Amino acid sequence: EAGVTQFPSHSVIEKGQTVTLRCDPISGHDNLYWYRRVMGKEIKFLLHFVKESKQDESGMPNNRFLAERTGGTYSTLKVQPAELEDSGVYFCASSQRTSGRITYEQYFGPGTRLTVT
Amino acid sequence: ILNVEQSPQSLHVQEGDSTNFTCSFPSSNFYALHWYRWETAKSPEALFVMTLNGDEKKKGRISATLNTKEGYSYLYIKGSQPEDSATYLCALAVGTSYGKLTFGQGTILTVHP
Repeated sequence: EAGVTQFPSHSVIEKGQTVTLRCDPISGHDNLYWYRRVMGKEIKFLLHFVKESKQDESGMPNNRFLAERTGGTYSTLKVQPAELEDSGVYFCASSQRTSGRITYEQYFGPGTRLTVT
Repeated sequence: ILNVEQSPQSLHVQEGDSTNFTCSFPSSNFYALHWYRWETAKSPEALFVMTLNGDEKKKGRISATLNTKEGYSYLYIKGSQPEDSATYLCALAVGTSYGKLTFGQGTILTVHP
């Protein structure tokens, strides 16, 4: 079974440009999450999709960030326009559909390292 | 704002040593505690998900315990090997938003041959 995949693995862009990150979750996983780790800090939650719906987007830093998950499969995270402080590693994770109080592991992708210059 | 603390920040041990680290978290509204092992440039690897007070879980030489009443979890590695070198992360989920994990800063473990 393929794991969570993310594309690209690295991206270097200039301030003011637009970047789109893609995440393909594990097949059949309804839950998809985006996280970000800024240099030297802890990994921070951005948002959570259940299928194509945004369950929780409380961690999105501002309206320059737009996440979509059309069709409930892969997801994209667009940053427009990028700022210097957006540099970091963007992780995607997925987990199985929720069932009662059963808690499933979140399986992480390797991340996209974004550098804004 | 939830505060998840991990200690120590880093740890150097010799091959064969046993070691342990701590994850501390607020005990109110607890839902689950996740442990991950992460090597830079790779995917964080899920180790354990713990939900019940008193839980003990084991995977090979790695085990973890959970105390939700006092708000801490311990991760133990028995007979450390150089391939255990990694950053160990804990992450808390609370009842109001079970999918949102709040991470600690991690403990960086280096095992010297």
